[in-house]
Amino acid sequence: DPKIIQKPKYLVAVTGSEKILICEQYLGHNAMYWYRQSAKKPLEFMFSYSYQKLMDNQTASSRFQPQSSKKNHLDLQITALKPDDSATYFCASSQAQTGDYAEQFFGPGTRLTVL
Amino acid sequence: GDSVTQTEGLVTLTEGLPVMLNCTYQTIYSNPFLFWYVQHLNESPRLLLKSFTDNKRTEHQGFHATLHKSSSSFHLQKSSAQLSDSALYYCALRTGGYKVVFGSGTRLLVSP
Repeated sequence: DPKIIQKPKYLVAVTGSEKILICEQYLGHNAMYWYRQSAKKPLEFMFSYSYQKLMDNQTASSRFQPQSSKKNHLDLQITALKPDDSATYFCASSQAQTGDYAEQFFGPGTRLTVL
Repeated sequence: GDSVTQTEGLVTLTEGLPVMLNCTYQTIYSNPFLFWYVQHLNESPRLLLKSFTDNKRTEHQGFHATLHKSSSSFHLQKSSAQLSDSALYYCALRTGGYKVVFGSGTRLLVSP
C-alpha cells in the first residue's frame, strides 16, 4: 500500500487557472514538505510544515499556498498558473523532531503541465 | 545561507569501474546532517545514505560515504558500478531545522 499518496498523478492546466495538488501520508509523520522538480531546477525545496504549522517557506511567489487541513494532509494550491510552473511536484514527510536527521520519504509526485 | 555543491552534472562510467560523486557543502551550523538521495527514472527520490558523524564511514547497498567536516565534504563512492546504478543522485544538507538543501544533482550513467 502506498504510504504517501499524491493526487492527481498528471495534471494539465491552462495559463491563469488555479489548481490544488493533494498529498496525504500514512507514515505517522508530523512533518511534511513540498518540493518542485523541473529541467531548470532539479529538486527545489518549497515549504515545510510541522504539526500543521509552516516552518520554512522558500517560495517567493504568493501564488503557491500550502494548506493543511489534517495532520497527515498537506495540499498545495497554485493560483494564476504560468507555463513556468510546469514541473513535477513532490510531497515528502519525516519525523518532526527538530535537530533530528530523520529521513524524508517522497511521494510519487504530481506532474503539472501548464499550457 | 546553506548550500550544497555537486560539481558534476553528468558522470558516465563503464560497468565495473569505481564510482565517485562529489559533494561539498557550506553552513555555519556545527552539526550538519548530510544525505545522499537517489532517483531512478520516473521514480521519486529515496534515501541512500545519511550521516552526521565526522570521519565515520556509512554504507548502504554497496555505496559508502564519509562526512569530513574539515573539508565540508560527503562524497559518494562505490567500488564497482552496476548498470542498475544509473540514476540521478542528490546530495542534501539539513542543519537542525526542517529545511533540507539539495545540490543540483549528478546523473550517473553506467554502460555495459
